[in-house]
Amino acid sequence: GAGVSQSPSNKVTEKGKDVELRCDPISGHTALYWYRQRLGQGLEFLIYFQGNSAPDKSGLPSDRFSAERTGESVSTLTIQRTQQEDSAVYLCASSLSVGNNEQFFGPGTRLTVL
Amino acid sequence: AQRVTQPEKLLSVFKGAPVELKCNYSYSGSPELFWYVQYSRQRLQLLLRHISRESIKGFTADLNKGETSFHLKKPFAQEEDSAMYYCALAPSGGYQKVTFGIGTKLQVIP
Repeated sequence: GAGVSQSPSNKVTEKGKDVELRCDPISGHTALYWYRQRLGQGLEFLIYFQGNSAPDKSGLPSDRFSAERTGESVSTLTIQRTQQEDSAVYLCASSLSVGNNEQFFGPGTRLTVL
Repeated sequence: AQRVTQPEKLLSVFKGAPVELKCNYSYSGSPELFWYVQYSRQRLQLLLRHISRESIKGFTADLNKGETSFHLKKPFAQEEDSAMYYCALAPSGGYQKVTFGIGTKLQVIP
């Protein structure tokens, strides 16, 4: 079956513009995670969803970042007034449920803020 | 709160040499531990998990609760093992997020 998909695969934007990143998890996966991976750095947790609720938003770097999930499927990560330090690969992963289940990762969205 | 520590950002070894990627964790309960791998231009994917107690691509990892460690080992490194490796912890009881370490880049020198 289809894996986790993310769109766009690449996004170049100007500083100050808003961007929206999309994640389509594997069908039936109730948990969905967003991570950020800066160049040469490790995986940085941003937020996760169990169903449509987000119990842990502790990783969101600032109030410019927000995420939502509707219908236990698609999720969007929105970054408002982008800054150059937002440039990174944004990864989405899904799993059957939160906890000790294997996470399946998408290919990521590479965001470049000029 | 749980924490995963991978002390080495980069580990370089020669082909055929043994490999040990270190992972230490902090968690008060009984966690489940994982190793994920990201090869160049590929998606991050699960390599192994401690409950399965299996060897994948020659790699093994043993959970040492006394030392709170879950080091990844392979007796003879291959060039195709070059990748980014992440240790991850899932708390027991479910419905809590998985915590990843910052990752270790393994570079196998031909």
